[in-house]
Amino acid sequence: DAGVIQSPRHEVTEMGQEVTLRCKPISGHDYLFWYRQTMMRGLELLIYFNNNVPIDDSGMPEDRFSAKMPNASFSTLKIQPSEPRDSAVYFCASSGTGGRTNEKLFFGSGTQLSVL
Amino acid sequence: AQSVTQPDIHITVSEGASLELRCNYSYGATPYLFWYVQSPGQGLQLLLKYFSGDTLVQGIKGFEAEFKRSQSSFNLRKPSVHWSDAAEYFCAVGGRSGGYQKVTFGIGTKLQVIP
Repeated sequence: DAGVIQSPRHEVTEMGQEVTLRCKPISGHDYLFWYRQTMMRGLELLIYFNNNVPIDDSGMPEDRFSAKMPNASFSTLKIQPSEPRDSAVYFCASSGTGGRTNEKLFFGSGTQLSVL
Repeated sequence: AQSVTQPDIHITVSEGASLELRCNYSYGATPYLFWYVQSPGQGLQLLLKYFSGDTLVQGIKGFEAEFKRSQSSFNLRKPSVHWSDAAEYFCAVGGRSGGYQKVTFGIGTKLQVIP
């Protein structure tokens, strides 16, 4: 398996523009997570899905952020409009817990987002 | 709410020296505990995890960690550090109650290895 695949690896955009980050989880995994990593706050969980259904989005910073998982092999995280403070590395991770708690998380390589 | 504290943001050790990275957690009961490592430009990779049983856990790359309930700690150790161990290390905690419980990560400790 190729692992968790994220695209793009780097994104540079201007303030006010829409940004879409993409993730393909490992086949067969039923949990998908979006994390944001910054120097100040470390790794924060934004939202996670189970069987394509959003379970907990309490970490989404504000309404400008939205995430979808239309099928088991694809998820997007969208920021509209983007702001400079959104600059961070965004990670997608997946896990095949089968309902058990806290099995190993498999992380993608991340998307480095810079909003100018 | 669960939380993790990694008191050392940055640590420098000489190659061949021993290493201990500190981690303290806050949780109402015995949690699941993890250590992940992140190499530059990469995602996080699991080093080891504690679920139950033996409180000394062995992981990949020669790392081990010891769960100490009385101290709410889960420190990571390695007897002899290699230059390739330079990376950022994250301690994480996950709850046990009920269904799936999300994992909370510490702020990370950046390890520098000098010759």
